[in-house]
Amino acid sequence: NAGVTQTPKFQVLKTGQSMTLQCAQDMNHNSMYWYRQDPGMGLRLIYYSASEGTTDKGEVPNGYNVSRLNKREFSLRLESAAPSQTSVYFCASSEFRADTEAFFGQGTRLTVV
Amino acid sequence: SQQGEEDPQALSIQEGENATMNCSYKTSINNLQWYRQNSGRGLVHLILIRSNEREKHSGRLRVTLDTSKKSSSLLITASRAADTASYFCATDAQASGGGADGLTFGKGTHLIIQP
Repeated sequence: NAGVTQTPKFQVLKTGQSMTLQCAQDMNHNSMYWYRQDPGMGLRLIYYSASEGTTDKGEVPNGYNVSRLNKREFSLRLESAAPSQTSVYFCASSEFRADTEAFFGQGTRLTVV
Repeated sequence: SQQGEEDPQALSIQEGENATMNCSYKTSINNLQWYRQNSGRGLVHLILIRSNEREKHSGRLRVTLDTSKKSSSLLITASRAADTASYFCATDAQASGGGADGLTFGKGTHLIIQP
């Protein structure tokens, strides 16, 4: 079982460029999440998807868009990258919302210059 | 905003000793979870304790929850070098008014086990 797979693992962008972070899970989970982790800040929720076709904003959604393509895949898009978006991004999934344990991908280390 | 707050921020102990980390949170919760993160890796779930539970065990891990004090503790007994990692508590974000139904994490405790 691969669990939660994120691509790419590393990325460097120039300010203003766009990119999409991909995430897929093979555990048939209903809920999927995108978090960012900054030094000394813990993880902060960007967007959440309870099920296919639904998305909700988290704590820090500005500058991001998401798409729940199907039950397996949940992508995060940066339309116009800014240096403040330099961070490590984690995708996670859980069977049902925050009532069950979450499984995390290995992360994408993004640097915006 | 951060719901959970771990204490201490950093902890260094000798291998074989017990390690205790604490977590305080601000609002009512349905459950509280603990995760471990090894350097440069994703988070790994350790244990989930529900609001109607007071204590839970898993191997060398013991978690307590005091909803009246809005606090939880994670005890790792007989620590090993492999336990060196950051440990995070997480609560259901909906309860904290986060606006979305995900987990809200604290800033973590960085645990170092000296061989």
